[in-house]
Order: sequence, then structure tokens, then C-alpha cells
Amino acid sequence: DQQVKQNSPSLSVQEGRISILNCDYTNSMFDYFLWYKKYPAEGPTFLISISSIKDKNEDGRFTVFLNKSAKHLSLHIVPSQPGDSAVYFCAASDSNSGYALNFGKGTSLLVTP
Amino acid sequence: DVKVTQSSRYLVKRTGEKVFLECVQDMDHENMFWYRQDPGLGLRLIYFSYDVKMKEKGDIPEGYSVSREKKERFSLILESASTNQTSMYLCASSLKGHGMWANQPQHFGDGTRLSIL
Repeated sequence: DQQVKQNSPSLSVQEGRISILNCDYTNSMFDYFLWYKKYPAEGPTFLISISSIKDKNEDGRFTVFLNKSAKHLSLHIVPSQPGDSAVYFCAASDSNSGYALNFGKGTSLLVTP
Repeated sequence: DVKVTQSSRYLVKRTGEKVFLECVQDMDHENMFWYRQDPGLGLRLIYFSYDVKMKEKGDIPEGYSVSREKKERFSLILESASTNQTSMYLCASSLKGHGMWANQPQHFGDGTRLSIL
């Protein structure tokens, strides 16, 4: 049963605009959320994370927003650059149950010049 | 920088063979993980380990086993390879956090693309 869902398989954005990637989860025990970026033929690269005690975390051009009541998180990339074109995975864990991550199926982002 | 190294980028094996995938990390991380990635399915956890000689089943352990004899090395074993085990295999490691630092990101290797013929 998929506990982390990324309902948009793909997204296309123009360079310089904002990219918004969405993620929903079903397990209310999740308390740690992460975003990973993956290029073809490479492993996922950790981008940014957020704990359930916060609702926003920012790192340069990347901001993650968490809405616990809606069980929804989003990743904002501003401004988007062609090098951001990759597959983005949302992941979540319940720290009381261990350290394993539950991943979404990914969203492929294409940033066009 | 964390370095997670998987011994092979590409591997081709035959049905019924015993296959070993090796993973080494250089950051003294306690936790290590094996995932497989398939189109349309995302990353699925096969096995993980919190410490030397310790292992836990993930979501899809059938047909696999693991070995953690040393802290830095975590091996995935396909006991008798089958064509449905053709996939991209990803190894990851993370620190075992404590208290308010309990949550730690996992760091991934570049993957092994395994084909079973």
C-alpha cells in the first residue's frame, strides 16, 4: 500500500519560473519528510528535509512546506534552472518505527530554457 | 562528503545464479539500506541494517538475503536469480541519530543496474 503519493508523474516549467512539486501521505505517524533529486544513471541525492514540528524549511532556492492537517508537503524551486531537470522523490519516515524511508513514485521535472 | 560506493554499475547474470551486490560507505554510518527502483514503482526497500550482524526485512525481501559483517559494508545476495529481479539496485546509509537529532537523511550510491537473462 503506497503511503507516500506523488500524483503528478511529470511537470514542465520555464526557466526562471517557480517549480512546485507536490506530495501526499496517508500515515499520520510520519514525522520526518525528505526530498531527493535523481539524475539518470545516478543515485538519488538528498536535497532538503523537514521535521513534523516545523511547517517550512528553506535552503537556497529550495523550500519545503508541510501541512500536517492535510497530510501534504510541497517542494518549491525558485528560480528554476535547466540543471534542475531531474526526477524528484518525496520520502517520509516514522522515527518511532525505525529509520526506513517510504518513497513516492517520483515526479519528472523538465525546466525549459 | 558522504561516499557510498557500489561495486558494480552494470551486471549481467543468468537465471539461477547466486548474485552478490556489494556496498561500502566511508562515513561510519550505523544504518545501511538496500532498495530497488523500477519504472512506475519508485524505490522499494528490500532489507536494512542498524548495526553489524543485524538485519531487518523491508517491504520486498522475498528472494533476497543480506550480510553485514563489518560496519562499512552491506551486501545484498540474490540466492537464485530470476528474471523478475532485473532492476536498478540502490544502496544507502545514514547516521543513527539520537534525541532531537534522531532524523538523519539517507545517502545513496550510484546504483547497480542488474540484468538477469
